[in-house]
Amino acid sequence: GAGVSQTPSNKVTEKGKYVELRCDPISGHTALYWYRQSLGQGPEFLIYFQGTGAADDSGLPNDRFFAVRPEGSVSTLKIQRTERGDSAVYLCASSLMSTGELFFGEGSRLTVL
Amino acid sequence: DAKTTQPNSMESNEEEPVHLPCNHSTISGTDYIHWYRQLPSQGPEYVIHGLTSNVNNRMASLAIAEDRKSSTLILHRATLRDAAVYYCILRTRATDKLIFGTGTRLQVFP
Repeated sequence: GAGVSQTPSNKVTEKGKYVELRCDPISGHTALYWYRQSLGQGPEFLIYFQGTGAADDSGLPNDRFFAVRPEGSVSTLKIQRTERGDSAVYLCASSLMSTGELFFGEGSRLTVL
Repeated sequence: DAKTTQPNSMESNEEEPVHLPCNHSTISGTDYIHWYRQLPSQGPEYVIHGLTSNVNNRMASLAIAEDRKSSTLILHRATLRDAAVYYCILRTRATDKLIFGTGTRLQVFP
């Protein structure tokens, strides 16, 4: 596809369940970012990959959150034992290089009941 | 990370110019000034960025104060499609992540 693709677009789950959110970056983009956005707030940085490795995971709120990018392309954000406070839109972005323009997907809206 | 300050909201009429201000008094010499905007129900999109000199592109112009402690994003003729939240962000070479604030919500009236 031409842009960053995120699936699912909407996910409703129950408290305590495990969730995976997927991001397909633009082909050839080496840098990949995860953000989350609560209503009325700006996007909050979670983690950044350069290639396969997490270059900066300082934004992950706790050890229930984990992200992987095993082949340097698709990334998965994994949330264990979900809590109601995890409800947000999770945004993925990619860029050609780490200092380039970020291209964002439309996000995955997570609702934890 | 150096912080930016923006008004919470601004209003404009269609086809009028819009000047969106941003203060960044603690900016360092290596910080680039980036602007992104977020339309309703979409992810943010890049608008423009600059270091010291004013910049123009097809979307907007960026005017940077001589002391770099403030900047202004200029939309030359606002359209209804420009209604969005506009984020002013400082991006340092030392880090590759963008740190978003709460931005300025721009309303455009017909």
